[in-house]
Amino acid sequence: TQLLEQSPQFLSIQEGENLTVYCNSSSVFSSLQWYRQEPGEGPVLLVTVVTGGEVKKLKRLTFQFGDARKDSSLHITAAQPGDTGLYLCAGVPGANNLFFGTGTRLTVIP
Amino acid sequence: DAGITQSPRHKVTETGTPVTLRCHQTENHRYMYWYRQDPGHGLRLIHYSYGVKDTDKGEVSDGYSVSRSKTEDFLLTLESATSSQTSVYFCAISLGTEAFFGQGTRLTVV
Repeated sequence: TQLLEQSPQFLSIQEGENLTVYCNSSSVFSSLQWYRQEPGEGPVLLVTVVTGGEVKKLKRLTFQFGDARKDSSLHITAAQPGDTGLYLCAGVPGANNLFFGTGTRLTVIP
Repeated sequence: DAGITQSPRHKVTETGTPVTLRCHQTENHRYMYWYRQDPGHGLRLIHYSYGVKDTDKGEVSDGYSVSRSKTEDFLLTLESATSSQTSVYFCAISLGTEAFFGQGTRLTVV
């Protein structure tokens, strides 16, 4: 089992604040993905990072892959209520398989 | 929309009874997966399939079996349901390493 630990597990912030979610593992992954899940729905892919040290931006969301390809972070600037949801990281050890993190449940209060 | 349909969406069953969950896809994808989602554990892989009649175990396969007799259908069976199998079950298909999920089946074993 390739364990991916996310922190924090729960996060409740006011609209307009910034936040960072972390995803850590002792395993090396060929790439890492972040998903967002709304209540009653399946997870939806936000981004895939492939290269160690890579930074990708998606509007107010910034994703970084660690240099050693074992960890990743998601930073949200000026959070909005629409950002509320469960954020999951997923490590890709090889072809056609994913190992998911434990999840971070974010609530943005208007 | 990756054309994934799970059925049923909700089910309550008694301990010791067999239960089958169905995942149907319309896009002819080769790889299909069954995950369970529990608080604090993220998504954990139960079984996956890489083609008709080709299946393999994931990290939490005990108590579950699967079958794939047609490309479009992947069935998950709990031979004798237990309370520890109360969970939300997600089916997914894979395009390269990106996963697309169904809407989930909430199973309660009483």
